[in-house]
Amino acid sequence: GENVEQHPSTLSVQEGDSAVIKCTYSDSASNYFPWYKQELGKGPQLIIDIRSNVGEKKDQRIAVTLNKTAKHFSLHITETQPEDSAVYFCAAMNLGNEKLTFGTGTRLTIIP
Amino acid sequence: KAGVTQTPRYLIKTRGQQVTLSCSPISGHRSVSWYQQTPGQGLQFLFEYFSETQRNKGNFPGRFSGRQFSNSRSEMNVSTLELGDSALYLCASSLETPTNTGELFFGEGSRLTVL
Repeated sequence: GENVEQHPSTLSVQEGDSAVIKCTYSDSASNYFPWYKQELGKGPQLIIDIRSNVGEKKDQRIAVTLNKTAKHFSLHITETQPEDSAVYFCAAMNLGNEKLTFGTGTRLTIIP
Repeated sequence: KAGVTQTPRYLIKTRGQQVTLSCSPISGHRSVSWYQQTPGQGLQFLFEYFSETQRNKGNFPGRFSGRQFSNSRSEMNVSTLELGDSALYLCASSLETPTNTGELFFGEGSRLTVL
């Protein structure tokens, strides 16, 4: 089955700086890669996703890149703000089987 | 538009008991998935339902079961509770159209504590 590894497990960034979280996956059949943000006491919230037919996607301060050959994808957050502090999860799925395999999460702390 | 609603939000049970958790998906969403979240194991897939049929199942024992009703609402049941079943149980719904496949929207979860 699919295995997703996520690094780092914790990340502290000065407000205004950029943050990068990286994930690798094992199953070449995976073709959908979402990123979720989870705040304390809440469920994961989809913040951005990418499908395997594109290499990069951007939404304001958030971007995701995908390297299918190397089987890794990354989340980039620019101009970080205190409200970006949360746990971020990457995930991978083979569209059609509706089963997300999650990474282990990254606790991002933005230092004011 | 209302999000995914899970009830109850918190519950405490003792070992050996059973529990039923409920999930109401976003209106129009026909796919409902369940995930277990624990500090040690992270987020793990339990099962997924579409049009009242279980389409996919994770690697959990048979004590974990679920069902989906004709209105897309779903329930999951855990029988003979063990201490290790203490977790946040998350429900997610998906629209399931050719252009929106894969986008899961999660509820706030039901936090189960087994004593």
